[in-house]
Amino acid sequence: AQSVAQPEDQVNVAEGNPLTVKCTYSVSGNPYLFWYVQYPNRGLQFLLKYITGDNLVKGSYGFEAEFNKSQTSFHLKKPSALVSDSALYFCAVREIPGAGSYQLTFGKGTKLSVIP
Amino acid sequence: DTGVSQDPRHKITKRGQNVTFRCDPISEHNRLYWYRQTLGQGPEFLTYFQNEAQLEKSRLLSDRFSAERPKGSFSTLEIQRTEQGDSAMYLCASSLGTGEGYTFGSGTRLTVV
Repeated sequence: AQSVAQPEDQVNVAEGNPLTVKCTYSVSGNPYLFWYVQYPNRGLQFLLKYITGDNLVKGSYGFEAEFNKSQTSFHLKKPSALVSDSALYFCAVREIPGAGSYQLTFGKGTKLSVIP
Repeated sequence: DTGVSQDPRHKITKRGQNVTFRCDPISEHNRLYWYRQTLGQGPEFLTYFQNEAQLEKSRLLSDRFSAERPKGSFSTLEIQRTEQGDSAMYLCASSLGTGEGYTFGSGTRLTVV
């Protein structure tokens, strides 16, 4: 079974400072990994994905994430946080096609608060 | 086509009533997913369609839940004999391929009273 852990319920960071939102995953084979952001009363918006290739993935709004296979992690990062980045962030995983399940499994989410 | 549309945005119903939600995916997306999200939790997978075929259903999808996607276009999710535990945000998403990120709709918030 596949699973995702986001160990921090909340992350607080000062505006202009770098931010990291942590994610670890568990799958039987190789993973597809995703980050989504959710603003209040809105659906989820896709930020970035890792399928294969370069371990450092760049996405929307200046976010990036680093895939680390040995640590089974996919942490979300941004060099300089903005107040508008304050939202709920979800990490998600699925096994590569052919592994039987089509579902994307999400973590519980991490609330990011950027303090002016 | 500006994205995934869900209707209604909000639904309040009495326990025991039936409700139906609609999802219109991005027109060229052949894959459609339903998820349920409760407060403080991440979305939980309910079911998946590829074109009109329902290829996977979660154990969360009890006999009271049914989903359809006639003609491989829009989809409906029906909940029969609603219970208070069904109160949640129901999210629909679509995608073009297995490695693509999903595009989510804004969701339907169901409140069972």
